[in-house]
Amino acid sequence: NAGVTQTPKFQVLKTGQSMTLQCAQDMNHEYMSWYRQDPGMGLRLIHYSVGAGITDQGEVPNGYNVSRSTTEDFPLRLLSAAPSQTSVYFCASSYSGQGYSGNTIYFGEGSWLTVV
Amino acid sequence: QQQVKQSPQSLIVQKGGISIINCAYENTAFDYFPWYQQFPGKGPALLIAIRPDVSEKKEGRFTISFNKSAKQFSLHIMDSQPGDSATYFCAASTLITGTASKLTFGTGTRLQVTL
Repeated sequence: NAGVTQTPKFQVLKTGQSMTLQCAQDMNHEYMSWYRQDPGMGLRLIHYSVGAGITDQGEVPNGYNVSRSTTEDFPLRLLSAAPSQTSVYFCASSYSGQGYSGNTIYFGEGSWLTVV
Repeated sequence: QQQVKQSPQSLIVQKGGISIINCAYENTAFDYFPWYQQFPGKGPALLIAIRPDVSEKKEGRFTISFNKSAKQFSLHIMDSQPGDSATYFCAASTLITGTASKLTFGTGTRLQVTL
């Protein structure tokens, strides 16, 4: 039972570097998303996708890019890392709502990113 | 602006006691209210959830109370155990397209259950 798998678990980047956080799910979920978690702020939605080839912005999309070429994978790209992007990143997936807001959203175990 | 306000920020409860975490929301478009439990180094995991047409939902030692008119909901953990020590997030969900929903999270409550 892999569920939602994220790599890497930990990463240190220098300001200005780019990198990709990988996310894969094996539950055939249509919906995938990326959240960031910061102290005192809960989790905030970065980008989401309702299916292969379809992505959209969440509430904090600036500095991040996503693509969805397959149902299973949803990578998150940091284009030019900034210290403000130091955070814990969670990938999540669920079945599509089909007009129903309440399908369980499953989270990966997180990727700890530090930008120095 | 925090759309889902959660309190307290931290909570210490003795073993066997009742833990209570409160949340309030503004957006009446929210139609599903889950609680997530997160242990250190792990991702959040769904604990229990409620729809706004129900005033209370109970699963084992965990109960959600929901007050639609006040736009408030709370998590009660009865007979709290040391294994319940974790961070708890309330959330509210709404459809953002016909098939996708978005979770808006509270800021989290760090619960410590002491012996």
